[in-house]
Amino acid sequence: NAGVMQNPRHLVRRRGQEARLRCSPMKGHSHVYWYRQLPEEGLKFMVYLQKENIIDESGMPKERFSAEFPKEGPSILRIQQVVRGDSAAYFCASSGYGDSKIGEQFFGPGTRLTVL
Amino acid sequence: GESVGLHLPTLSVQEGDNSIINCAYSNSASDYFIWYKQESGKGPQFIIDIRSNMDKRQGQRVTVLLNKTVKHLSLQIAATQPGDSAVYFCAENIDTGRRALTFGSGTRLQVQP
Repeated sequence: NAGVMQNPRHLVRRRGQEARLRCSPMKGHSHVYWYRQLPEEGLKFMVYLQKENIIDESGMPKERFSAEFPKEGPSILRIQQVVRGDSAAYFCASSGYGDSKIGEQFFGPGTRLTVL
Repeated sequence: GESVGLHLPTLSVQEGDNSIINCAYSNSASDYFIWYKQESGKGPQFIIDIRSNMDKRQGQRVTVLLNKTVKHLSLQIAATQPGDSAVYFCAENIDTGRRALTFGSGTRLQVQP
C-alpha cells in the first residue's frame, strides 16, 4: 500500500507532556499538509511543508506547535506541553503537484490524540 | 468565519435513491473545490474535484455541480448504496497563492436499506 502513512494511530498523553505525530507521504509526493479535526467538525488547515521547508504555517498555533519535513524520513508534527484542548484527530495529506495549480490532496488515516 | 458551509447536517435516503449534498461558499475567488468522503475513524477519501472554469464534472456514480453565480456546490450520488453512508465534506482553495484547503462542517449521509 503506497498511501499516506501516519503513526501512531492513537496517542494518549497527560497534560504537559509532548506529542509527536509522524507522517510518511505517498511515494513520489514531496508536499505534505497537516490538518486538525475536532469531533463533528471539518478539518482545519495547520501547515504546509515541502522537503526541508515550511511553506505555509498560517494555521499553526504560535506556541507549542511545530512541524518539520526533513530531507530523510517522515514529516513530524510536534506539540509541546499538551493541554486538553489539543485533543483532536490530526490528519496528514500529501500531493505531488509542484508549483502549478493546487491538486488533489491524499489523506492518511489520522492520529487521534487524547490528552488526559 | 468559515467560508464553506453545508445546509443539511444529516441526510437520510433509501438505498437505490439518488442523493444530493449541498455546499455554499462565500469567496468568489475560490478556484478549486473537492468533495471528500469520511467514514468513521478514517481519513477523508477523495471523491471528485472541480475547477472554477467548469460547472459540471462527472465520475463513477457521482456528479459535482458548481454554480458560481450563487456560489453553490453540490454532490450528486446516483443509486445510493449502504457503503455510501459517511460524512461528506466540501473543501475549497480560497487563496490561489496558497495550497490550504478550507473545509465545510460536513453532511452525514445515512442510507437506509
